[in-house]
Amino acid sequence: DVKVTQSSRYLVKRTGEKVFLECVQDMDHENMFWYRQDPGLGLRLIYFSYDVKMKEKGDIPEGYSVSREKKERFSLILESASTNQTSMYLCASSSRQGLGNTIYFGEGSWLTVV
Amino acid sequence: AQSVTQLDSQVPVFEEAPVELRCNYSSSVSVYLFWYVQYPNQGLQLLLKYLSGSTLVKGINGFEAEFNKSQTSFHLRKPSVHISDTAEYFCAVRSTTTSGTYKYIFGTGTRLKVLA
Repeated sequence: DVKVTQSSRYLVKRTGEKVFLECVQDMDHENMFWYRQDPGLGLRLIYFSYDVKMKEKGDIPEGYSVSREKKERFSLILESASTNQTSMYLCASSSRQGLGNTIYFGEGSWLTVV
Repeated sequence: AQSVTQLDSQVPVFEEAPVELRCNYSSSVSVYLFWYVQYPNQGLQLLLKYLSGSTLVKGINGFEAEFNKSQTSFHLRKPSVHISDTAEYFCAVRSTTTSGTYKYIFGTGTRLKVLA
C-alpha cells in the first residue's frame, strides 16, 4: 500500500527555534511536495522537489527551506520559527512517469509556534 | 499559471439529499483535474481524477464528477449523501513547471456538512 509518513503529528516550538519536519515515502516517487494548509486558504505549495538535491519554490517559500538528500526523504526547515508559521503542514509525493499521476499525502503535521 | 476556484466555502445538506460541489479551472490546452477528500485530522485522499476520454468520471464512495470544457468546470456530485461524507473537499489541477516537471495546484476547499 502507498505510504507517505510524516515524522511528527503535533509539535510545539518557540519563536526563533529552528524546526525540521521530516517526510518519507516508500513508492520510489521522483516528486515530493510540502504544502501548508490554513482555514479559508486551502493548500498552498511551499516547495517541491523533482529529484535528489533538486528543488523549486512554490507559492509561499519565504521563511522556509528544504532538503532532499535521498530520493525517499524530503525535509522542510523553518530557519527561525515565527507565530505566523503556526499551521498544518502536509507532505506529498507523486510519480513523474505517465499522465495525470495521483499525488499521495501524509497525515499532516500540526505545528504551533508560541 | 493554472488555477482552480471553488466557489462555495461551506455546503450544508440533509442526509440522503443530493449534493454538488463546484470547481472551475483556468483554461488550458490539456488539463488533468482531481478531487480529494480530507476527513478531520487526516491527510487528503483521492476521490477521482479526469485525464481524458469520457467527461463523466466515477470515483469512490459514490461520487462522480463531470468535466465541462466549454464552461471550464469540474463539479463533484453525489446523488444521496451520508453523515459519513462530512469532510472537506478539494479540487486540484496538475500544472507543468518551468523545469518540465509537475506540481499540483489546489483550491481553497469546500466544507461539506451533512445534517441528520
